[in-house]
Amino acid sequence: GQNIDQPTEMTATEGAIVQINCTYQTSGFNGLFWYQQHAGEAPTFLSYNVLDGLEEKGRFSSFLSRSKGYSYLLLKELQMKDSASYLCAVRDRNRDDKIIFGKGTRLHILP
Amino acid sequence: GAVVSQHPSRVICKSGTSVKIECRSLDFQATTMFWYRQFPKQSLMLMATSNEGSKATYEQGVEKDKFLINHASLTLSTLTVTSAHPEDSSFYICSAPPRRADTSGGVTDTQYFGPGTRLTVL
Repeated sequence: GQNIDQPTEMTATEGAIVQINCTYQTSGFNGLFWYQQHAGEAPTFLSYNVLDGLEEKGRFSSFLSRSKGYSYLLLKELQMKDSASYLCAVRDRNRDDKIIFGKGTRLHILP
Repeated sequence: GAVVSQHPSRVICKSGTSVKIECRSLDFQATTMFWYRQFPKQSLMLMATSNEGSKATYEQGVEKDKFLINHASLTLSTLTVTSAHPEDSSFYICSAPPRRADTSGGVTDTQYFGPGTRLTVL
């Protein structure tokens, strides 16, 4: 089976930093993805980690620890437009490399 | 970047009718496409994997006779919701996984999603 856990909701202030955590359990880990999804829209790709460590892309960074089954998405200099759901997803080589999504974290940005 | 389109973007139909949703990869070929369903305030649930030239594979609990999938070509997959009922009302999203190079010269695997189709069954 596959379990992906992330907080349901988080709130942060414009200009601040927020970290969204994701833990997973999978038998054939083959990569972890973070997607952003605004209400009523399809997800957009943010980051991909397959090796341990930090990947930085502008205001967004993603970290992976395979031994701990743990990842986080770090958002800096928050903007109001960052209010969205953030989906952690894991690819499992024992499931034909399908990408399975967690339930998502709804992030609310306050002015 | 890779683009995936879906048509229609929104459909309203009567209970008992069938609805076809198209998913196209516009600038790459996709031997595999994925169909997801998303209910309000919930995450994406994988329904099935569409395979060009062979039968689709369905996730546990998804009725293959109700959700017909046809991968007609390397750029087109269709999902037909047969005899739709109000409980089938949902956001249906397809995705396709091209392999792409990232800016550092490595290879990034990801899926690119279509814009989604909102189905409302009255």
